[in-house]
Amino acid sequence: NAGVMQNPRHLVRRRGQEARLRCSPMKGHSHVYWYRQLPEEGLKFMVYLQKENIIDESGMPKERFSAEFPKEGPSILRIQQVVRGDSAAYFCASSPHSNQPQHFGDGTRLSIL
Amino acid sequence: DAKTTQPPSMDCAEGRAANLPCNHSTISGNEYVYWYRQIHSQGPQYIIHGLKNNETNEMASLIITEDRKSSTLILPHATLRDTAVYYCIVRVPDNAGNMLTFGGGTRLMVKP
Repeated sequence: NAGVMQNPRHLVRRRGQEARLRCSPMKGHSHVYWYRQLPEEGLKFMVYLQKENIIDESGMPKERFSAEFPKEGPSILRIQQVVRGDSAAYFCASSPHSNQPQHFGDGTRLSIL
Repeated sequence: DAKTTQPPSMDCAEGRAANLPCNHSTISGNEYVYWYRQIHSQGPQYIIHGLKNNETNEMASLIITEDRKSSTLILPHATLRDTAVYYCIVRVPDNAGNMLTFGGGTRLMVKP
């Protein structure tokens, strides 16, 4: 039973480019969560999605960031016009129901040159 | 803001029990206590959770005080691979935001 799969594991972008981070939840999990971990800091919640719906995006920056979880395929976290401050580890978690524990992937480490 | 207080670091000898404390004095009646850990360069790993009864699984035991204001995570026989940052989190399952709020955690160092 594969865990939460995130790709790429490492992503390098230049300032102004777009970054797309993908997350495939565990089989049978329809709830997806994105978190960001800045260097030397704790994880911070960004967004919570359930198939095709954004349930809570209270942790998402107001500009340049968007997330989706389509009916088919992985969840995507998209960052447009990246800046140096976007450099961080981005973690995805999934759960089968909203009241079940979240299980995390190993993250995408985004570096902005 | 995190609602828990944990010591920033602890050491434990390999093979001994590691007892990690967590203070959550403002916990409300419907909030559960969750424990996760994060090994360097990996994603957080779910360990255990509980409401008021003590819980045990293949990884650890969770002891919650009767007044629920504090808890202890016990790793019965710590190994070097248990070196990680351990996070104690309180939340209501199925709350509107469903987010986990991570504090600073406890950095556990298991030593040979």
